[in-house]
Amino acid sequence: QVQLQESGPGLVKPSGTLSLTCAVSGGSISSSNWWSWIRQPPGKGLEWIGEIYHSGSTNYNPSLKSRVTISVDKSKNQFSLKLSSVTAADTAVYYCARTDKIYSSSWFGYWGQGTLVTVSS
Amino acid sequence: SYELTQPLSVSVALGQTARITCGGNNIGSKNVHWYQQKPGQAPVLVIYRDSNRPSGIPERFSGSNSGNTATLTISRAQAGDEADYYCQVWDSSTEVFGTGTKVTVL
Repeated sequence: QVQLQESGPGLVKPSGTLSLTCAVSGGSISSSNWWSWIRQPPGKGLEWIGEIYHSGSTNYNPSLKSRVTISVDKSKNQFSLKLSSVTAADTAVYYCARTDKIYSSSWFGYWGQGTLVTVSS
Repeated sequence: SYELTQPLSVSVALGQTARITCGGNNIGSKNVHWYQQKPGQAPVLVIYRDSNRPSGIPERFSGSNSGNTATLTISRAQAGDEADYYCQVWDSSTEVFGTGTKVTVL
């Protein structure tokens, strides 16, 4: 059973960089899956941030692309998110998830528990 | 960008059938996936590729997709089905979520 666990600072200052890591257990990050970051502002819906393959290939949400970097560390079986120039609008619960893909279809079968990141001075 | 529209809320009597719609332009040509999210918890996949149930998801959950509307159906609704539900598709290398529907079991 694949398990994912997010970690990182719960408080980030405005204009700073949000950094989170997702540790994968029960499976290899080098499997034929992509790995995603998804966020949810308090009381609002889900927003996909981006995804990465173990080769390093990435896809990002166009609305966040200029500020997002997702990377992978195969030696530690984990992947990471960096979001720069954050504002209060980036306050959200951040989830990591395993992305299952078949042809032009992809879905999120496994999720981390989520971690709340607050942007405030 | 592609948009998915869901009703804000759906109410269903205990033991009856709830239908949650997800509207999008020609959504029938895409695969739709559905998630259940209870308060304070991560979303859980309940339907993938329009009508497939992951292991552990009750048969009471079913899905369909045609034209401009995909539908998640919850049969014999139980109190434990109260949650927010989100649809999701892949479009132009981007994952898109619906606006979310709060299901209340009366």
